[in-house]
Amino acid sequence: KQEVTQIPAALSVPEGENLVLNCSFTDSAIYNLQWFRQDPGKGLTSLLLIQSSQREQTSGRLNASLDKSSGRSTLYIAASQPGDSATYLCAGYNTDKLIFGTGTRLQVFP
Amino acid sequence: NAGVTQTPKFRILKIGQSMTLQCTQDMNHNYMYWYRQDPGMGLKLIYYSVGAGITDKGEVPNGYNVSRSTTEDFPLRLELAAPSQTSVYFCASNAGPLAKNIQYFGAGTRLSVL
Repeated sequence: KQEVTQIPAALSVPEGENLVLNCSFTDSAIYNLQWFRQDPGKGLTSLLLIQSSQREQTSGRLNASLDKSSGRSTLYIAASQPGDSATYLCAGYNTDKLIFGTGTRLQVFP
Repeated sequence: NAGVTQTPKFRILKIGQSMTLQCTQDMNHNYMYWYRQDPGMGLKLIYYSVGAGITDKGEVPNGYNVSRSTTEDFPLRLELAAPSQTSVYFCASNAGPLAKNIQYFGAGTRLSVL
C-alpha cells in the first residue's frame, strides 16, 4: 500500500529564510508527484507537478525535486514571505489514484 | 473558468439523514475523485472514476456511494449520516496521464453531522 509522509509536520520561521519541505513515499511505482498549497478553510491550489521522467520543476521562488529511487521529493521555498503561510501537501500518483501526505503547516512571521 | 464546482458549500445533517454532495466539472476530464479531509489531516480518497459508467473504491468508501452517468458530474451520496462523517469533502478531476494528471480541486463542502 502506498504511503506518503511529510516532514516536518509544522514549521515556523522568520521572513526571508530559505525552506525545505520533505515528502517521502513507500512505493517507487508512483509516476507523477504534485505539490499543493492549502490556505485555512480553503481548497487546494496546485503549485508544481513533476513527472516521473523529470527530476525537478521550478516556478518563481519554488523548486520541487523528485528522486524516485530513494522515494523522496523536496519543495524548496526561497526567501520566504508571510504570504507563504499555509499548509503544503504533496501527493503521488499510483496508477489512477493520487495519494496524499498529511501536510506541512508553515508559518512565516515578519 | 468554472473548473470544478461543488455544492453545497456548507451543510448540517442530523444522524441518520441522507444527502447528496454535487460535483461538476466543465473541463471534459475523464478522471474524477472524492476526498475527505478531517481536521489537521491530509486527504483520504473515498471513491474515484476513470470515466462515465466506471467507479471504484478508494481508501475510505464505507458509508458512501457514487455514480458517474455523465463525464461532467460525479455526485457523492451519504445514505445514513453518522457523526464520523463530519468532515470537509473535496471533489477533484484531471485529464489523465497524457495530460500529466494535473489535479484540479473544487472549493469543498463542509459537512457537520449532529
